[in-house]
Amino acid sequence: AQSVTQPDIHITVSEGASLELRCNYSYGATPYLFWYVQSPGQGLQLLLKYFSGDTLVQGIKGFEAEFKRSQSSFNLRKPSVHWSDAAEYFCAVGAEVEYGNKLVFGAGTILRVKS
Amino acid sequence: GAVVSQHPSRVICKSGTSVKIECRSLDFQATTMFWYRQFPKQSLMLMATSNEGSKATYEQGVEKDKFLINHASLTLSTLTVTSAHPEDSSFYICSARISHHRFQETQYFGPGTRLLVL
Repeated sequence: AQSVTQPDIHITVSEGASLELRCNYSYGATPYLFWYVQSPGQGLQLLLKYFSGDTLVQGIKGFEAEFKRSQSSFNLRKPSVHWSDAAEYFCAVGAEVEYGNKLVFGAGTILRVKS
Repeated sequence: GAVVSQHPSRVICKSGTSVKIECRSLDFQATTMFWYRQFPKQSLMLMATSNEGSKATYEQGVEKDKFLINHASLTLSTLTVTSAHPEDSSFYICSARISHHRFQETQYFGPGTRLLVL
């Protein structure tokens, strides 16, 4: 079965520091990978996605992620974190089912930014 | 583009009553919408897939008679929690799908509905 692991429940970084959020997936076929961000009490906003092609994907708000098939990973990075980036981040894999794709989410990583 | 709305954003109801939540795709047509449930400090769990003009597909363990889903048009899906009980209190989030190519799809999420059953 498909699964997504986000090993870090909480991460705290200083404003201006670099950030890397880890994501590992388990899926037998070609994975379609996503990162979403959720602010408290809000829905999810898509940061970036990977379908195929260049394994380094650029997203919104200065985020990027790199797909590494050999490591089954899709880590999210940002070179310089802003206080407004504090939120919860979810990695997801799109699993093919007969009607299309079903998203399987990781448990999420809460990012805290200290000034 | 790709904006999804939900209404209401927050609802409080008495135990035993039914609550309807609407999910709309505002600037695109969505043949498929999804309903998720999120418990505090937890991830999203898919409840069901809503297909326009046909019956919803429910995930294992989700009671279809309790969580009624209707997808009457290409821009609207509704989730009705029937005979709600306190354990149904949760954050319900919908999403709508845009297909790029077969299986290459992106889901766009609504802002969520907080349900509290007293």
